Amino acid sequence: SQTIHQWPATLVQPVGSPLSLECTVEGTSNPNLYWYRQAAGRGLQLLFYSVGIGQISSEVPQNLSASRPQDRQFILSSKKLLLSDSGFYLCAWRGLAGKKETQYFGPGTRLLVL
Amino acid sequence: RKEVEQDPGPFNVPEGATVAFNCTYSNSASQSFFWYRQDCRKEPKLLMSVYSSGNEDGRFTAQLNRASQYISLLIRDSKLSDSATYLCVVIRNTDKLIFGTGTRLQVFP
Repeated sequence: SQTIHQWPATLVQPVGSPLSLECTVEGTSNPNLYWYRQAAGRGLQLLFYSVGIGQISSEVPQNLSASRPQDRQFILSSKKLLLSDSGFYLCAWRGLAGKKETQYFGPGTRLLVL
Repeated sequence: RKEVEQDPGPFNVPEGATVAFNCTYSNSASQSFFWYRQDCRKEPKLLMSVYSSGNEDGRFTAQLNRASQYISLLIRDSKLSDSATYLCVVIRNTDKLIFGTGTRLQVFP
């Protein structure tokens, strides 16, 4: 069965520092992968998605970037964090729910920028 | 106007109660519909798909009304463990899930 891992689980970083969050998927090949952010009290916002190695689509302009160096690895990065980057970062992969496709989430990384 | 709207709650109900959540969506081109459950400080987890014909999974029943662009979730015989935030999700294409902000349910003894 498919599993999705994210690390670190929590992170506290100063403003202006760099960021690298990692997501890996097991049990599937060539998955579509997604990065979301959930700010406190707000809904999930899609940041990036990737349909394959080196292919990244950005949904919103921002201080973040994403990369897909390997088939089952998706990385979220920033060169200089802002206070507004604080939030709960979720990686997801696309899979089947019965006859329909939807997305399944990893455990998330909680980021606090101070 | 948000593309997916939910009553944020909280809904505070006693154990054993029946509770219903509603969700409306604005884009008639939406293709698929789901309910997810999110526990405090955890990731969202798929609860069930939603079909026009309605579908049931144990104590949970989901219904879709395409004409009214309305989705519902009914929970019967509420348990303490049902306490969570319930997210309505609408998909136009499978790379773009649109989430509601969620409805919080608190079941008390």
